Amino acid sequence: SQQGEEDPQALSIQEGENATMNCSYKTSINNLQWYRQNSGRGLVHLILIRSNEREKHSGRLRVTLDTSKKSSSLLITASRAADTASYFCATARNTGGFKTIFGAGTRLFVKA
Amino acid sequence: NAGVTQTPKFQVLKTGQSMTLQCAQDMNHNSMYWYRQDPGMGLRLIYYSASEGTTDKGEVPNGYNVSRLNKREFSLRLESAAPSQTSVYFCASRTLQGSETQYFGPGTRLLVL
Repeated sequence: SQQGEEDPQALSIQEGENATMNCSYKTSINNLQWYRQNSGRGLVHLILIRSNEREKHSGRLRVTLDTSKKSSSLLITASRAADTASYFCATARNTGGFKTIFGAGTRLFVKA
Repeated sequence: NAGVTQTPKFQVLKTGQSMTLQCAQDMNHNSMYWYRQDPGMGLRLIYYSASEGTTDKGEVPNGYNVSRLNKREFSLRLESAAPSQTSVYFCASRTLQGSETQYFGPGTRLLVL
């Protein structure tokens, strides 16, 4: 079964608006990662947040983590058409562990 | 650096045929992974290799075998392809030290008729 589940499944916004995607997971984790996948391509790592962190920023990306609610959110500010992609959260349970479990993803469409 | 490369990009098989998907990385990473991606289901781990000489089953290993040929290469074999194995297959690699970021190849689209 999937560890991470993204919400919403699909999101359509206008260029310049903010996009928020949520991820919920079931068991305790060591870290949570967000990846982007452009159509027909492999996944690209965006940002990693550890279980002892609550918020992290990278450029126009802001990630929050609430371990008490077992949830994370990814905010993309001032979205661009080039942000159109699928976004996946991925969780790793153990320090140094080898398995990362991916959610089903949120498809984001940014209209120019 | 080419990163993670996969061959072939696209393949059509008939039920019962066999094939091997090839993956290579030039980043000197220790760990390598094979995933399959089906519509609406994200990525599911098939097999992984934590380091050269070791392989372990993931979430959906049935119908597949793997070989970690050397540190660079990790192949996935379908011995007798079934329509349920129609999917997009991704290979990924990761270093053991520090970062847990995985680096993905471009994928292989497999259609089993």
